[in-house]
Amino acid sequence: ELKVEQNPLFLSMQEGKNYTIYCNYSTTSDRLYWYRQDPGKSLESLFVLLSNGAVKQEGRLMASLDTKARLSTLHITAAVHDLSATYFCAGRIQGGSEKLVFGKGTKLTVNP
Amino acid sequence: NAGVTQTPKFRILKIGQSMTLQCTQDMNHNYMYWYRQDPGMGLKLIYYSVGAGITDKGEVPNGYNVSRSTTEDFPLRLELAAPSQTSVYFCASSYSGLAGAYNEQFFGPGTRLTVL
Repeated sequence: ELKVEQNPLFLSMQEGKNYTIYCNYSTTSDRLYWYRQDPGKSLESLFVLLSNGAVKQEGRLMASLDTKARLSTLHITAAVHDLSATYFCAGRIQGGSEKLVFGKGTKLTVNP
Repeated sequence: NAGVTQTPKFRILKIGQSMTLQCTQDMNHNYMYWYRQDPGMGLKLIYYSVGAGITDKGEVPNGYNVSRSTTEDFPLRLELAAPSQTSVYFCASSYSGLAGAYNEQFFGPGTRLTVL
C-alpha cells in the first residue's frame, strides 16, 4: 500500500530565504506530482516527475525525484509572499489505475 | 475550455437528507475522480471512473455512490447524509492512454458541504 508523507506540515519563513519541503513515499511509485492550493481554492498542478533524477523548475520552485530513496523535494529559492499556499505531493499507484495517494500537505507562510 | 466544473459551490444539508454533487469536464478525459478534503488530512479518493459505464471504489467510498453514463459527467450521490460527510469535495479528471504522458489530474473548484 502506497503511503505518502510530507514534512514539515507547517512552514513559516521570511521573504528572501530558501527552504525545502520533503515528500517520502513508502513503496514504488512510478510518478510523483506536486500541487499548489491557495486558501479556499482548488488544486493547481505544479510539477510531474516521471523518472529517477528528474528535476523541474518553475520560477522560484524546483522539484526533484530520487526513486531509490523514495524521496521527492520541493525547493523554494528566495521566497516571496506570493508563494504562501499549501503544497501537496502525490504518488501514483503502480499498476495502471491512475490513482494518486496524497500527502497531508505543507502549509507555507512567507512573511515580509 | 471550461475545464472541470462543479455544482453547487456550497450546500448545507440536514442529517438524513440526500443530494447529488455534479461534475462535468470538457477536455475529453477518460478518467474522472471524486475526492474529499478534510482539514489537515490531504485528499482522500472516494470513487473513480476509467470511462463511461465503469466506476470503482477508492479509499473512502462508504456513504457515497457514483455513476458515469457519459464521458463528460461524473455525479456523486450522498445518501442519508451524516455529519462525518462534512467536507470539501473535489472532482478531477485526467487522460490516460499515451505512453509517457504526464496523466496529471485537473481539479474542479470544489463543493463545500456541511451536514448539520
